[in-house]
Amino acid sequence: NAGVTQTPKFRILKIGQSMTLQCTQDMNHNYMYWYRQDPGMGLKLIYYSVGAGITDKGEVPNGYNVSRSTTEDFPLRLELAAPSQTSVYFCASTLPQGANSPLHFGNGTRLTVT
Amino acid sequence: GIQVEQSPPDLILQEGANSTLRCNFSDSVNNLQWFHQNPWGQLINLFYIPSGTKQNGRLSATTVATERYSLLYISSSQTTDSGVYFCAVEGSSNTGKLIFGQGTTLQVKP
Repeated sequence: NAGVTQTPKFRILKIGQSMTLQCTQDMNHNYMYWYRQDPGMGLKLIYYSVGAGITDKGEVPNGYNVSRSTTEDFPLRLELAAPSQTSVYFCASTLPQGANSPLHFGNGTRLTVT
Repeated sequence: GIQVEQSPPDLILQEGANSTLRCNFSDSVNNLQWFHQNPWGQLINLFYIPSGTKQNGRLSATTVATERYSLLYISSSQTTDSGVYFCAVEGSSNTGKLIFGQGTTLQVKP
């Protein structure tokens, strides 16, 4: 049971490039999330999904896209990278609210846009 | 939306000391969790505690939902307790969307 797995661990992008951050979980969790953490700050929600085929915006969705074709995978797409997207990105998952389930995080992807 | 405030922002302790971290939130919540971010950046869930009290070893947490605050107690602190402690809450959305506080940075000195 690997939990939540994110790839890559590190990435450097040039302004205007695109990339996909991968996230997969093997706990059969319905709910999945993408957060970003800027230096010295808390986490901000980018997008979330309550099940395959269902996604919705969080607090800071601009510049990002997501898809959820399977229960296990929840990739995050950056189409035109900007310096403001330099951050650490965390994927997380949990069971629906009634299950009293804690949120499980991946180890993060550190992205630098120059 | 819900506001989450954590205090103190920074805390320095000698090994063996006890501490209390506080989390205030601005509206009723149905989900509150505490996390520890270690110096390597990993986020570890400590407690799922929308109300009541829980204990896990040297750590315990209490949430008083009616008064809109939660406390995290660390007893007999160790250097491995160093890192950032986050409180996160969800209002009534039932989608598991957590709003995070800014965190309390704890440094435990040997």
